Amino acid sequence: DVKVTQSSRYLVKRTGEKVFLECVQDMDHENMFWYRQDPGLGLRLIYFSYDVKMKEKGDIPEGYSVSREKKERFSLILESASTNQTSMYLCASNLGARSEQYFGPGTRLTVT
Amino acid sequence: GEDVEQSLFLSVREGDSSVINCTYTDSSSTYLYWYKQEPGAGLQLLTYIFSNMDMKQDQRLTVLLNKKDKHLSLRIADTQTGDSAIYFCAESLGSGNTGKLIFGQGTTLQVKP
Repeated sequence: DVKVTQSSRYLVKRTGEKVFLECVQDMDHENMFWYRQDPGLGLRLIYFSYDVKMKEKGDIPEGYSVSREKKERFSLILESASTNQTSMYLCASNLGARSEQYFGPGTRLTVT
Repeated sequence: GEDVEQSLFLSVREGDSSVINCTYTDSSSTYLYWYKQEPGAGLQLLTYIFSNMDMKQDQRLTVLLNKKDKHLSLRIADTQTGDSAIYFCAESLGSGNTGKLIFGQGTTLQVKP
């Protein structure tokens, strides 16, 4: 079974803190994705990576950065957390173009 | 740009059929997906349809695709309380993409006993 794991299910941080969200997949997938999910807005793509050290901005990259030093690990970084970044963050991976994405369980981040 | 639209909420009685609708804009989409998200969990793939198909059936699930109208639907027969969840449709982009999917807003299905 494909497994995508995320480092935390729940996280509470203070405004201005630097926040790291980690995602690991065990199926040697090329592509990895970070989304945020907000009620009524669906999933919005923050960043994705199609290879080690390669990344592209998604639809809402402002306030976020990413790192992919190893194929299996994709990190989302909030340089200076703000309250409007309170959300559910979902990581996903897939093998290539036009293939199913596999999702992690999500991290619910609250910024106070 | 690409866009996927769904209604936000559907309520049905247990045992009835549920029909969740979705419209998309990218005519070059090759695969269209339905994902299910249970409370507090990530998304799980329910089913998918290739763009050259009109219909796909998988046990209680029927997917209908109308390419002319860019309309996709998911029918759940004999809906059970365990089907209560958020359902997302998603389209893959045309050739040259890197595995990106465009998701709709999600339809919350409420099943009343």
